[in-house]
Amino acid sequence: DVKVTQSSRYLVKRTGEKVFLECVQDMDHENMFWYRQDPGLGLRLIYFSYDVKMKEKGDIPEGYSVSREKKERFSLILESASTNQTSMYLCASSPPALETQYFGPGTRLLVL
Amino acid sequence: RKEVEQDPGPFNVPEGATVAFNCTYSNSASQSFFWYRQDCRKEPKLLMSVYSSGNEDGRFTAQLNRASQYISLLIRDSKLSDSATYLCVVNKNKAAGNKLTFGGGTRVLVKP
Repeated sequence: DVKVTQSSRYLVKRTGEKVFLECVQDMDHENMFWYRQDPGLGLRLIYFSYDVKMKEKGDIPEGYSVSREKKERFSLILESASTNQTSMYLCASSPPALETQYFGPGTRLLVL
Repeated sequence: RKEVEQDPGPFNVPEGATVAFNCTYSNSASQSFFWYRQDCRKEPKLLMSVYSSGNEDGRFTAQLNRASQYISLLIRDSKLSDSATYLCVVNKNKAAGNKLTFGGGTRVLVKP
């Protein structure tokens, strides 16, 4: 069974703080993705990565950066958290030959 | 206009009844289509792919209408456990990798 884990289920941060969200997958998948999910807006792609040290911007990368130093781990970084980054953050992974994405349980981030 | 649009619902369905709902997509060149299911406060999970000829998986039937650019999901003999949000998902360009575009979801509530 594919397992995607995220470092925290709930997180509360203050405006201006640097925030790290970690995602780890155990299936040796090349592709990894970060989304945010907001009511009425659905899932929106922030960044994705097809390989170690490789990253590409998604639809809403502003205010975020990512890091992929190891194949199994994909980190999302909020350099200076703002209240409009309060959201549910979902990480996903997929093998290159399949379109199916496997999601982690999500991190609900509240920025005060 | 959103790239993938869904009626947010909720669709209130008596147990045992049939429910159907659609999703429209704006990019006529979209190549692959899926339905994901998301339970309350959980991560999305693949329910089924949608094939050009239509396909069935148990009580679930998915259809694709390329001419009108919509896909549909029909659930027969609804169970209480079918209560969830159903996400319409589109892959606009397989050659660009497994980047998926998600709709906002249709909420289904099955009641006794």
